[in-house]
Amino acid sequence: DMKVTQMPRYLIKRMGENVLLECGQDMSHETMYWYRQDPGLGLQLIYISYDVDSNSEGDIPKGYRVSRKKREHFSLILDSAKTNQTSVYFCASSRDSAETLYFGSGTRLTVL
Amino acid sequence: GQQVKQSSPSLTVQEGGILILNCDYENDMFDYFAWYKKYPDNSPTLLISVRSNVDKREDGRFTVFLNKSGKHFSLHITASQPEDTAVYLCAAGENQGGSAKLIFGEGTKLTVSS
Repeated sequence: DMKVTQMPRYLIKRMGENVLLECGQDMSHETMYWYRQDPGLGLQLIYISYDVDSNSEGDIPKGYRVSRKKREHFSLILDSAKTNQTSVYFCASSRDSAETLYFGSGTRLTVL
Repeated sequence: GQQVKQSSPSLTVQEGGILILNCDYENDMFDYFAWYKKYPDNSPTLLISVRSNVDKREDGRFTVFLNKSGKHFSLHITASQPEDTAVYLCAAGENQGGSAKLIFGEGTKLTVSS
């Protein structure tokens, strides 16, 4: 069963707290992504990972970092969260040379 | 600036009608173009995609047209149905390091009224 799993589904944090968003996939996909979705802006790419420890910045990496120590897991970390990081975060994965992205169900993060 | 842009934030069509969703892009290196569909509180799923070596791809009621010289692609939906009501996201990208880095548009909220 092809699946991208994101945890948690909902999260509320205070400004300045650290945030860890987890993503897993069971398809052995090499490439994984973190996007955020905001009204009127569509999906914006935060980071892309081509394999373990092979990560590249996307279009809006500032304020975020990522970790990929195993192919099936890709984490998004917010050190000292800010209120403007309130958003819905989507993780996705794809095969190495195929472009179809498989998305997780999203994490709705609220930073107070 | 927005590299991939959808001209209409929302669109309403009567059931059974034909509709066209448009997407413009800036980077002429893009060689892959896709439309994703997203229901509320759900994740986006791929609807249809096309590579730059063709200018049209059809899949049932859905057809994507690509105009590379105009940096434009569109999604045509025929015989629209209420279940087509969703947000449609266009995406474009170029193959880098073996995997496409997809840039998404802002989305068009489509409502099909019965």
